[in-house]
Amino acid sequence: EPEVTQTPSHQVTQMGQEVILRCVPISNHLYFYWYRQILGQKVEFLVSFYNNEISEKSEIFDDQFSVERPDGSNFTLKIRSTKLEDSAMYFCASSGVQHSGANVLTFGAGSRLTVL
Amino acid sequence: ELKVEQNPLFLSMQEGKNYTIYCNYSTTSDRLYWYRQDPGKSLESLFVLLSNGAVKQEGRLMASLDTKARLSTLHITAAVHDLSATYFCAVDMSYIRSWGKLQFGAGTQVVVTP
Repeated sequence: EPEVTQTPSHQVTQMGQEVILRCVPISNHLYFYWYRQILGQKVEFLVSFYNNEISEKSEIFDDQFSVERPDGSNFTLKIRSTKLEDSAMYFCASSGVQHSGANVLTFGAGSRLTVL
Repeated sequence: ELKVEQNPLFLSMQEGKNYTIYCNYSTTSDRLYWYRQDPGKSLESLFVLLSNGAVKQEGRLMASLDTKARLSTLHITAAVHDLSATYFCAVDMSYIRSWGKLQFGAGTQVVVTP
């Protein structure tokens, strides 16, 4: 079954450093997303991306965050200068066109980011 | 801001018994999703509910949606150990349907014991 692949699975970084999290969405999907889950808390929407531009973003997704689809397969999330509160599990997701009106997101296994 | 409230947040189930998880949300939406998450793993889609009165069933799980009451329920019939996981409901807040901006509930941690 097609899956969303994320790397790295775990990254430890120092506060203030730049981090890039990578994702390979399902190949025929057109919509891409990043969500995050702080340990023990609920899953939070960060950003959605379609047709090479951001469709929607949350208040969390400030100037420190950016997304890019550098080639036909990868989708990246960059955090420019990490803060302690950026420590979380970051989930990439993708979805395709659903004729039923549903938009079922397929999530990757996540990248755990620890900021020290 | 849309609020999505799940209860209970923790549910200890006995094998063979029936239980219900509730998901209330605060604004109009006709797209509600249920996901399952095993510890340390990703989110697995269980159900998509797209209209008032929608009911979906898969194995021991059944989900329903009442958009007028802004309530979805996830019913577990005759619980078994492998249903132990955290269950999330999520409401689609997207301005455009396909933008996938989901607001998740806090999750219900389910533990099934013999």
